[in-house]
Amino acid sequence: QVQLVESGGGLVKPGGSLRLSCAASGLTFSDSYMSWIRQAPGKGLEWVSSISSNGVTKSYADSVKGRFTISRDNAKKSLSLQMNSLRAEDTAVYYCARTKGFFDYWGRGTLVTVSS
Amino acid sequence: DIQMTQSPSSLSASVGDRVTITCRASQSIRNYLNWYQQKPGKAPKLLIFRASSLQSGVPSRFSGSGSGTDFTLTIRSLQPEDFATYFCQQTYITPPFTFGPGTKVDF
Repeated sequence: QVQLVESGGGLVKPGGSLRLSCAASGLTFSDSYMSWIRQAPGKGLEWVSSISSNGVTKSYADSVKGRFTISRDNAKKSLSLQMNSLRAEDTAVYYCARTKGFFDYWGRGTLVTVSS
Repeated sequence: DIQMTQSPSSLSASVGDRVTITCRASQSIRNYLNWYQQKPGKAPKLLIFRASSLQSGVPSRFSGSGSGTDFTLTIRSLQPEDFATYFCQQTYITPPFTFGPGTKVDF
């Protein structure tokens, strides 16, 4: 069955950096558009970034543009999110999800806490 | 950017009730509207895509309707496992793929 497993979350100081990863299995990763979605504690869902199956087309929410970079390695079936210049408002659970015009498979998420 | 609203923000219901949640887009999104269910501490789960298509494995008591700017999620006969928060989401043309603020369904 499809499994998406996020890792790399943790506690980081404001202004710091963190790299999230998402390991995929049970799907044809190289054919899959992928996304990151986040959820601040007790809040709703916020789309963060998406990347096309070949890695060429990338899109970002305005709130993270210029600070976050999405990438993928199809050979390793891995999705990444490099997060720089982190702010307190970036504190959230970050989910990766397969994207087909909807998000049909989700990981369990990884918690990022930005605090001094 | 397209903004999404939902109503109500929360509702109290009982097992067996018919529940209706409304989602509205700030401009026409045709039928590019999805519904998700989320339980505490869990990832969201896709219920309905393209406004009215039931995701595989989702019980038939869930249904979606609407097009343009106004959409509805209906739960025909609420079951104990349906107490959760429901989010709508638009995926019309290009990002950002905005979500509604959510509707919490509880006792």
